[in-house]
Amino acid sequence: AQTVTQSQPEMSVQEAETVTLSCTYDTSESNYYLFWYKQPPSRQMILVIRQEAYKQQNATENRFSVNFQKAAKSFSLKISDSQLGDTAMYFCAFTTGGGADGLTFGKGTHLIIQP
Amino acid sequence: DAMVIQNPRYQVTQFGKPVTLSCSQTLNHNVMYWYQQKSSQAPKLLFHYYDKDFNNEADTPDNFQSRRPNTSFCFLDIRSPGLGDAAMYLCATSRVGYEQFFGPGTRLTVL
Repeated sequence: AQTVTQSQPEMSVQEAETVTLSCTYDTSESNYYLFWYKQPPSRQMILVIRQEAYKQQNATENRFSVNFQKAAKSFSLKISDSQLGDTAMYFCAFTTGGGADGLTFGKGTHLIIQP
Repeated sequence: DAMVIQNPRYQVTQFGKPVTLSCSQTLNHNVMYWYQQKSSQAPKLLFHYYDKDFNNEADTPDNFQSRRPNTSFCFLDIRSPGLGDAAMYLCATSRVGYEQFFGPGTRLTVL
């Protein structure tokens, strides 16, 4: 069975600080995809960033970047220059099956950005 | 704008009264998913369609059924809702190998 573990239920940082959210996963598959999704209070699930397992280069999207360590099965999210609008639940998610299977989510990290 | 639409946004039903939730997409994606998200929990996959091929998760209760009459629409039918089925139901779509796009969800209340 595939599992995703997020060990930080809640984190709080000051605006403009950098914060890193942790995620580890377990799978026997060699080809898979990893994602970070953001869910604000509206409950709309929004894609933050994606990483294909076969790519060694870490994905980056503006202030968001990942540290993908395939051997360690680790996929952390770094948010630079955090903003009040970044306050949300962040879910790490995983899929295999060539990318047509559903997502397996971690339990989420509630990130609070303080003014 | 291309998007994933869910109707209704809020649904109240009575214990045991069948209910249908709707999802439509203008993205022309061939894969559609239904997730259940209970309060303070992560979304849990119920089933998905790859084109017309239906894929049911092993632990999805028989009480939950789905239909996909065409590429654009997918329905979630709950035949006899129980109190434990109260949740947010999320529909998502994707092309194979790409990220999933989520709708805004339908919040189901069971009285």
